[in-house]
Amino acid sequence: DAGVIQSPRHEVTEMGQEVTLRCKPISGHDYLFWYRQTMMRGLELLIYFNNNVPIDDSGMPEDRFSAKMPNASFSTLKIQPSEPRDSAVYFCASSFGTGRETQYFGPGTRLLVL
Amino acid sequence: RKEVEQDPGPFNVPEGATVAFNCTYSNSASQSFFWYRQDCRKEPKLLMSVYSSGNEDGRFTAQLNRASQYISLLIRDSKLSDSATYLCVVKARYSSASKIIFGSGTRLSIRP
Repeated sequence: DAGVIQSPRHEVTEMGQEVTLRCKPISGHDYLFWYRQTMMRGLELLIYFNNNVPIDDSGMPEDRFSAKMPNASFSTLKIQPSEPRDSAVYFCASSFGTGRETQYFGPGTRLLVL
Repeated sequence: RKEVEQDPGPFNVPEGATVAFNCTYSNSASQSFFWYRQDCRKEPKLLMSVYSSGNEDGRFTAQLNRASQYISLLIRDSKLSDSATYLCVVKARYSSASKIIFGSGTRLSIRP
């Protein structure tokens, strides 16, 4: 299995631009998670989906952030408009089932907003 | 107060030493506990789950103390390759959904 795939791996953009991050979970996994990691705040859960349905988006910072999962094999996290404080590493993770499941993380997207 | 707290470290110990980390959590309804490892500029990876009775995996031992609301990770005979950041993860069930919270991590550096 290829594992969780994220693209792009690196993104540099200017403040005000729209940024779209993409994630392909491991085939067969029914949970998908989006995280953001910074030195100051550590790893924060932004939103997670179960069977393509958003379950908890309480971690989404503000309306500039949106996430979708149109099907079981694809999810996007969009930031519009982007701001310098959005600079971080964004991880996508997937898992199967509930309870003591392991989350498998993608390699992350390093976002720098100038 | 953070829901999951860890000593950020860094812990700098010689190869072969035993090192222990603690992690405290504030929600008594927490159900599942994990330790993840994150290498520099890499993604987190599951190290081990933490069971109520405590569990061991080779040189690694995890313990859970529900009464005091903390979990611990013990690494014996540390290796250079153990250098990483160790993340404590707590999962709690709320009324409508589960919430997964990562600690900020404890940095461990093993010196030759």
